[in-house]
Amino acid sequence: DIQMTQSPASLSASLGETVTIECRASEDIYNGLAWYQQKPGKSPQLLIYNANSLHTGVPSRFSGSGSGTQYSLKINSLQSEDVASYFCQQYYDYPPWTFGGGTKLELK
Amino acid sequence: EIQLQESGPGLVKPSQSLSLTCSVTGYTITSGYDWSWIRKFPGNKMEWMGYISYSGSTNYNPSLKSRISITRDTSKNQFFLQLNSVTTEDTATYYCARYEGPIDYWGQGVMVTVSS
Repeated sequence: DIQMTQSPASLSASLGETVTIECRASEDIYNGLAWYQQKPGKSPQLLIYNANSLHTGVPSRFSGSGSGTQYSLKINSLQSEDVASYFCQQYYDYPPWTFGGGTKLELK
Repeated sequence: EIQLQESGPGLVKPSQSLSLTCSVTGYTITSGYDWSWIRKFPGNKMEWMGYISYSGSTNYNPSLKSRISITRDTSKNQFFLQLNSVTTEDTATYYCARYEGPIDYWGQGVMVTVSS
């Protein structure tokens, strides 16, 4: 199985700040990576797919980058509604698809 | 609008079977995509459990292969999860989802506790 190591596990940031979350794969996943946002009590929502493609309706302050084994999600100009958990998922190699451990983003 | 909704018991006894239903509206499950079950454990670890494709083929997480079955009822546009011989380690929130590489639609999730 491909292991996904996500960091940091938790993050505190101020409104308007830029935030970066990272995922490292145990082997090359050739941009087969998605990022999701999950708010408490809600289902996950797709933000980014293919490592850097913005899903329909997602604000442009979210962006994804990376290649090979290293990927990141950046949130520019943090808004209050961005307080949530974020996690990555690789879909290059399965079974099984695998997920990062998640990052809990809070306001400072 | 595509919607997925899980249903099933919230409490299951150890050694019994966990059975959940995912009802899909707004899209016919035989038209395309893979229809998955994913669970999130307390502590936030996510695990993909398996899927049934639009054609009816299945693919399971090897870690669950001996205990899991995913089936469907195309007349009701539903698909199902059965997980046998559950233990307390199967306590989790279970989601059904539509997969096209990334997962673009998720159900709201159903919390299942395994306890005597």
